[in-house]
Amino acid sequence: EVQLAESGGALVQPGGSLRLSCAASGFIFSSYWMSWVRQAPGKGLDWVANIKYDGSEKYYVDSVKGRFTISRDNTKNSLFLQMNSLTAEDTAVYYCARDLGAAPGSIPYDYWGRGTLVTVSS
Amino acid sequence: QSVLTQPPSVSGAPGQRVTISCTGSSSNLGAGYDVHWYQQLPGTVPKLLIYRNSNRPSGVPDRFSGSKSGTSASLAITGLQAEDEADYYCQSYDISLSGYVFGGGTEVTVL
Repeated sequence: EVQLAESGGALVQPGGSLRLSCAASGFIFSSYWMSWVRQAPGKGLDWVANIKYDGSEKYYVDSVKGRFTISRDNTKNSLFLQMNSLTAEDTAVYYCARDLGAAPGSIPYDYWGRGTLVTVSS
Repeated sequence: QSVLTQPPSVSGAPGQRVTISCTGSSSNLGAGYDVHWYQQLPGTVPKLLIYRNSNRPSGVPDRFSGSKSGTSASLAITGLQAEDEADYYCQSYDISLSGYVFGGGTEVTVL
């Protein structure tokens, strides 16, 4: 059974940093592109970043470029999101999702984790 | 303002057919990029409902169907049931933004 479990969400002050993790199991992690998708409280879904199965390609939404870094450790079946210079607009539940396909192109997410809440507030 | 435009809400009586539109532009749906649909039940994680315009993952009832034409796509729910009350999102890729985009979501209410 495919499972994705995020962790690392917390309350952080504006300008602070946070590192999210996603532990994957039940599939060959090193064969899949992976993504982070976020959802602000009461709002819709927003793609944040994705990464190629071997980590050699990474893409970001403009609003997080230069502040967030996506990475992965295929030896530990883990996905990460390093978030720096956080602002209130980054407050959201962050989901780890498995890409059903490879970039470029329109890729759906066939499995999602339960999410981890990041709150940026003073 | 979402790149993909969906109606904020649709409603229907049990057993009825409802459709949710997803309108894009020449840089996403009109450029030939596929559309995908997700269902998010209250308090739960999004679930892939339709992928690549009209394909249903295993386990999704055939009451749900998708289509795409030009710069628009739609999700149809036939035989509406109380358990279908949820938020529905369309998703695609936008070449101008070089990124993945979602619609703003549509809340489906069963009357």
